[in-house]
Amino acid sequence: DTGVSQDPRHKITKRGQNVTFRCDPISEHNRLYWYRQTLGQGPEFLTYFQNEAQLEKSRLLSDRFSAERPKGSFSTLEIQHTEQGDSAMYLCASSLGTGADTEAFFGQGTRLTVV
Amino acid sequence: AQTVTQSQPEMSVQEAETVTLSCTYDTSESNYYLFWYKQPPSRQMILVIRQEAYKQQNATENRFSVNFQKAAKSFSLKISDSQLGDTAMYFCAFALSFQGAQKLVFGQGTRLTINP
Repeated sequence: DTGVSQDPRHKITKRGQNVTFRCDPISEHNRLYWYRQTLGQGPEFLTYFQNEAQLEKSRLLSDRFSAERPKGSFSTLEIQHTEQGDSAMYLCASSLGTGADTEAFFGQGTRLTVV
Repeated sequence: AQTVTQSQPEMSVQEAETVTLSCTYDTSESNYYLFWYKQPPSRQMILVIRQEAYKQQNATENRFSVNFQKAAKSFSLKISDSQLGDTAMYFCAFALSFQGAQKLVFGQGTRLTINP
């Protein structure tokens, strides 16, 4: 197992375009998380899944954002009508188990630049 | 709402020295977990050390140890015998026990540079 994989690593898009990111978690991990990290800040929680169910969404996740995990394995995060304020690193993490103490393993992130 | 504050945006020490990174947090809950994560340049974030709030004993992992002061809501990270590979952004993070998930609240980070 090579860890959490995110694709693409970098994405440059024009304002108003739609973008989709993919996250492949560590095999057998039932929890999958999305975070957003802007320059000079720590990551901020966006949403998480347990298997295929999306259990919580942050208020940061506007209506333009949608996340799915259709078969409880990989996940996608789509941003519609991108804005310059969406420019950030989007991090995915996965964990096994249901406790808050379980270790979350992070991917390298997708860096989005909206021009 | 829970908040995490790291007051040192940048730190720099010489190789082999000991360095301490500060973190304070705010919560009204009594059961939670605290973490330090390391994010090397262009690489993924990895867990350095974890502390359960109900445990009084400070966690240690090889050269890394914490000073957990629950009453003061302080959670500092000490790195002993620092190495060049310790150069990274370090994030302090918090998670509530009852949420049953790694819904982490992160601080702003401290950029640590180890100089040869």
